[in-house]
Amino acid sequence: AQTVTQSQPEMSVQEAETVTLSCTYDTSESDYYLFWYKQPPSRQMILVIRQEAYKQQNATENRFSVNFQKAAKSFSLKISDSQLGDAAMYFCAYKGTTQGGSEKLVFGKGTKLTVNP
Amino acid sequence: DTAVSQTPKYLVTQMGNDKSIKCEQNLGHDTMYWYKQDSKKFLKIMFSYNNKELIINETVPNRFSPKSPDKAHLNLHINSLELGDSAVYFCASSPDLAEQFFGPGTRLTVL
Repeated sequence: AQTVTQSQPEMSVQEAETVTLSCTYDTSESDYYLFWYKQPPSRQMILVIRQEAYKQQNATENRFSVNFQKAAKSFSLKISDSQLGDAAMYFCAYKGTTQGGSEKLVFGKGTKLTVNP
Repeated sequence: DTAVSQTPKYLVTQMGNDKSIKCEQNLGHDTMYWYKQDSKKFLKIMFSYNNKELIINETVPNRFSPKSPDKAHLNLHINSLELGDSAVYFCASSPDLAEQFFGPGTRLTVL
């Protein structure tokens, strides 16, 4: 079974600085998707970024980028120029492809990010 | 335009009661899911449906019964509620291999 590990329960960063959140996963599949979701206090789950395993290029969305290391099964999220609105729980998630699109998301336990003014 | 909606957003009830949570998506997606987020914020799949057909049932007690009247709706009925059922329940939908879109969550409190 696939597992996702986020080793940092909490992280903090100064406004305008850069922070990296770690995620590792375990799978025997070769094709899969990885995601970072953000959950602010409103509890809404918001997709931050996604990465297809077959793509070597790291995904980027504005201030958010990932470092995807397939061989090491590592998928870290870098947030540049941190803003107060980035404060939230961040979840790393894995989605396989063997069920033709009906695969579940497997989540890590989350990292609580605090942004200090 | 709400993409994935859930009702109610808050639900407080007594132990032993039966309750339902409704979910609707207007995205035209084929697959819908229910996830449970416990008090430690851990999110775990409960069920998934594809075109009204049950695909995933993750060893959830049979007091929980999902129902999909059509592919835009996936409701969750819970019988004989227990204290441990207190959690936030999220509905989500997905078009294919892409990301899942989540509803706003329903916070269930069992007293």
